[in-house]
Amino acid sequence: AQSVTQLDSHVSVSEGTPVLLRCNYSSSYSPSLFWYVQHPNKGLQLLLKYTSAATLVKGINGFEAEFKKSETSFHLTKPSAHMSDAAEYFCVVNSGYSTLTFGKGTMLLVSP
Amino acid sequence: EAGVAQSPRYKIIEKRQSVAFWCNPISGHATLYWYQQILGQGPKLLIQFQNNGVVDDSQLPKDRFSAERLKGVDSTLKIQPAKLEDSAVYLCASSAGTINGYEQYFGPGTRLTVT
Repeated sequence: AQSVTQLDSHVSVSEGTPVLLRCNYSSSYSPSLFWYVQHPNKGLQLLLKYTSAATLVKGINGFEAEFKKSETSFHLTKPSAHMSDAAEYFCVVNSGYSTLTFGKGTMLLVSP
Repeated sequence: EAGVAQSPRYKIIEKRQSVAFWCNPISGHATLYWYQQILGQGPKLLIQFQNNGVVDDSQLPKDRFSAERLKGVDSTLKIQPAKLEDSAVYLCASSAGTINGYEQYFGPGTRLTVT
């Protein structure tokens, strides 16, 4: 069985400040982990993925995430938020065939 | 390359009516998925096809939902009869394979409102 917990339903930051979106996972096998972003009225877009290579993963638009097996975490970070980063972010686990299990999402709000 | 196409983008129906959604995956992608995303939640897998065969439909409410993928390309998802709780965004995704780690590419979704 696999599951994902996104610890915050909403995160508010000011433009230019760091972003931290938290994710914990549970998996019976060595998982692959993903972060997807969903802008309003648009499809889900892959930000980055971890598939058992380097534990620090760099993605698009300056985002990165670190896989920590001991903490079963895969938190998403960005050094400096931009207004265009405002969106909903989903942490996703895949620990078997190809079935993805999504977290409930974290809405990132960016104020000027 | 062209992305995953879905139609219609929006649909409003009354309960007990039927509705169908269409999906065209990325060319060459053998695996196709349908997800249901209820407001405030993450997407939930309804059904997964590998070419035109069903791999996983364990979470598909088979008494009212059906899906097919003819010729291993386009797919349709049907709801008959619809209930109020079916109001959601229906997402189609495709991937090149099924091995752990293959990226899934998502379409824009169809927003269904059942009144």
